[in-house]
Formats: sequence, C-alpha cells, structure tokens
Amino acid sequence: GESVGLHLPTLSVQEGDNSIINCAYSNSASDYFIWYKQESGKGPQFIIDIRSNMDKRQGQRVTVLLNKTVKHLSLQIAATQPGDSAVYFCAESNTGRRALTFGSGTRLQVQP
Amino acid sequence: KAGVTQTPRYLIKTRGQQVTLSCSPISGHRSVSWYQQTPGQGLQFLFEYFSETQRNKGNFPGRFSGRQFSNSRSEMNVSTLELGDSALYLCASSFSPSENTGELFFGEGSRLTVL
Repeated sequence: GESVGLHLPTLSVQEGDNSIINCAYSNSASDYFIWYKQESGKGPQFIIDIRSNMDKRQGQRVTVLLNKTVKHLSLQIAATQPGDSAVYFCAESNTGRRALTFGSGTRLQVQP
Repeated sequence: KAGVTQTPRYLIKTRGQQVTLSCSPISGHRSVSWYQQTPGQGLQFLFEYFSETQRNKGNFPGRFSGRQFSNSRSEMNVSTLELGDSALYLCASSFSPSENTGELFFGEGSRLTVL
C-alpha cells in the first residue's frame, strides 16, 4: 500500500554521494522540527529532530540544519545508500500544541 | 518490543457507512495521535489522546472522532463516509507527556477506500 503523493519533488543521487533535502516552514512560532522517512507501504520513521535553540544537530550519517531567520530546514545524508530511497518529510510543532504539521515531502531516489 | 499495531490494514466501505479503526501503541506509551495521509493533502493531524483525554484536535469535521482506553489503546471512527475520506490513516504513539510531541512512532496505517 503506497501512501505518498504522485507528484512529489524528486531528488535523484548516485550511491555514495551526499544528499541534501530542503524544507521551508511557515509558522514562526514553531520550536520543534523533525525529519521522517517513509518507505512504500510503511508508516513514517523518525530520523532526527532539532529544537529551535539549536541550528545544527548530527546523527548517524544524517545532519539537520535549521535556519530560523529564513524558516528553512535541511536534511543532509552522507554517503547515500540504496536503502535511503524513500519519501522524506519535514514536520514542525510548537510547545503546547502536541501535533505535527508535515511538509509535502521529497522523494529521494538513489541510483546504484 | 512490539511497534505500533493498527487494524485492519485494508478495508473497503461505501459512501454513507461508518468505520472504526484501532491502534495499539507501543507498550508504555500513553500518548496516541492520529493522522490522515492522502496524495492531495499529505499528512494531516486528526487528534491526540493522553490518558484517555483528547488534548488536541485538528481541523476535521465532527464525523471524525476518536477515543482512548485505559490501556492506552485507541480507536478512531468516521461516520457517514464520503469518497474524500479514502486515505491512509496513521496512528502514532509517544511516551512523552510533555508539551511537545516528542518522537512519534508510527504504525503502518489502515488504508481505507470509500466507493
């Protein structure tokens, strides 16, 4: 059961290259941001999060950058692998809301 | 430990009918959220429950309702189904009782088709 849109922007990269997925958010009150990965037929899977008091956070092979001035979020994936092929969503929230507002998603295709 | 379990995985209904979807959160998680995913609207928040209380609700009509039981299991109901209700309904659980959502763990969803 696929669960993602038919006309998502697509980023195509070669295996081993670095990938950068961008996201613009609209709510200046948002103070918590998350990146999710969704593979076909599955629910979104948490990748990494960042709070608004930070501008960079690193995980395993992933880095999230937050630019509050221009309300921009990016996800960097190092040494992209075929298993990274999926749709990536950014999401935002703010203290007290207890709900996420998701972006429209970007499809990442990794060419072997 | 077991992840978030949603049942049924697939179902087909006709317009005007009602449907109930079930979600069992990860053991120990007390917060359960529901999201609707469609190609046109993407992922949209429906509601969130914590300790059997609805704490937040998204911008959906009253036909969409939910509840949470004392064991944290949750159900959502959609009455008087419309074609536009066809979607993947995702349940997510979280341990966090705090003001933010915390890390949400999603189930694989219930795909509803309305004919």
